[in-house]
Amino acid sequence: RKEVEQDPGPFNVPEGATVAFNCTYSNSASQSFFWYRQDCRKEPKLLMSVYSSGNEDGRFTAQLNRASQYISLLIRDSKLSDSATYLCVVNKDDYKLSFGAGTTVTVRA
Amino acid sequence: DAGVTQSPTHLIKTRGQHVTLRCSPISGHKSVSWYQQVLGQGPQFIFQYYEKEERGRGNFPDRFSARQFPNYSSELNVNALLLGDSALYLCASSLYAGQPQHFGDGTRLSIL
Repeated sequence: RKEVEQDPGPFNVPEGATVAFNCTYSNSASQSFFWYRQDCRKEPKLLMSVYSSGNEDGRFTAQLNRASQYISLLIRDSKLSDSATYLCVVNKDDYKLSFGAGTTVTVRA
Repeated sequence: DAGVTQSPTHLIKTRGQHVTLRCSPISGHKSVSWYQQVLGQGPQFIFQYYEKEERGRGNFPDRFSARQFPNYSSELNVNALLLGDSALYLCASSLYAGQPQHFGDGTRLSIL
């Protein structure tokens, strides 16, 4: 079983729509969680950390469910610039980030 | 402030050769990690160095090695290159181990 699993998508949504997707992780001892976004042929960029109580950053909301071992990301009022691959990232140890394969989101005009 | 810088940006090698990739972390960051990303997959952890010591190693063969210098920059070395080593190699730095990591633009390595 992969350490981090994501629905690869693609999620094709119109501008202004809300899109949400999850990822699951296998190791219950995981300590910290992040969402990164990656544009085509670019480096991953930190989108937001995910906290146990859930957190928002503008149009983005992240949730963590430790009991079910999943993390979610919700994007409200989608913009064309939100088109990217979203990587779910889990940190079990202090040193190693485990990445999912990514969820592709395409926002159309 | 400069972000994580990697060199070279692109590299073409042939099977059996070796390669050295370089990374300079964000100023003040003491932790450097290396990842390999092949097309269609997420980055896979190769190494982490913190304060010049190896803190972790991923599931990669011994052909892969790395080191961190006193100025916290790092090198990744790969010997006896195989076609399957073709990938984007990413370096990431963080202030301390366990903090969110910030990535460089990567080195795109192609093996012919």
